[in-house]
Amino acid sequence: DAGVIQSPRHEVTEMGQEVTLRCKPISGHDYLFWYRQTMMRGLELLIYFNNNVPIDDSGMPEDRFSAKMPNASFSTLKIQPSEPRDSAVYFCASSLMGYQPQHFGDGTRLSIL
Amino acid sequence: DQQVKQNSPSLSVQEGRISILNCDYTNSMFDYFLWYKKYPAEGPTFLISISSIKDKNEDGRFTVFLNKSAKHLSLHIVPSQPGDSAVYFCAASAGGTSYGKLTFGQGTILTVHP
Repeated sequence: DAGVIQSPRHEVTEMGQEVTLRCKPISGHDYLFWYRQTMMRGLELLIYFNNNVPIDDSGMPEDRFSAKMPNASFSTLKIQPSEPRDSAVYFCASSLMGYQPQHFGDGTRLSIL
Repeated sequence: DQQVKQNSPSLSVQEGRISILNCDYTNSMFDYFLWYKKYPAEGPTFLISISSIKDKNEDGRFTVFLNKSAKHLSLHIVPSQPGDSAVYFCAASAGGTSYGKLTFGQGTILTVHP
């Protein structure tokens, strides 16, 4: 079975540029989560969706961040404009139900110069 | 305000011995707890979970213990194997409308020596 697929695996861009991270959840999973991992803050939840609808975006750091889920098989996380402090590893995860264990993708390592 | 804490950044054990990883939490609303394992350049992988109605859950070499009064959980790995060397995260979730929302600890690096 295909797991959660994230692209790109690595992204290096200059400050001020728009960054788009992509995620394909496991087929049939109703929940999708976006996380960010940094040395300072660890692994923190940014936003999650249930049946393509955003449920909780309280972890989104600021208005420069936005996430969408136009259909059950695709989600994007956008940063515009990007800043060096956005450098981190971004993970996408999906689960069948809210109480089921989440399955993570391998992450996107983002570096903003 | 760290609601889930893993106070040991690292742990080193010999192959065949027991590994015990600890986790403390402060939010009394948490009722579902999970352990994840993470290798470098990969995403976390689910290991084992426990609901607050239980105090122990076992799956092969992995056992999770929950002490609700102490707000403490631990993961026991017996026997430890070199392939278990990874970063281990505990995570917690509250019920109700927040049951999809996981709060993670900072992780413990486990090294199992042959």
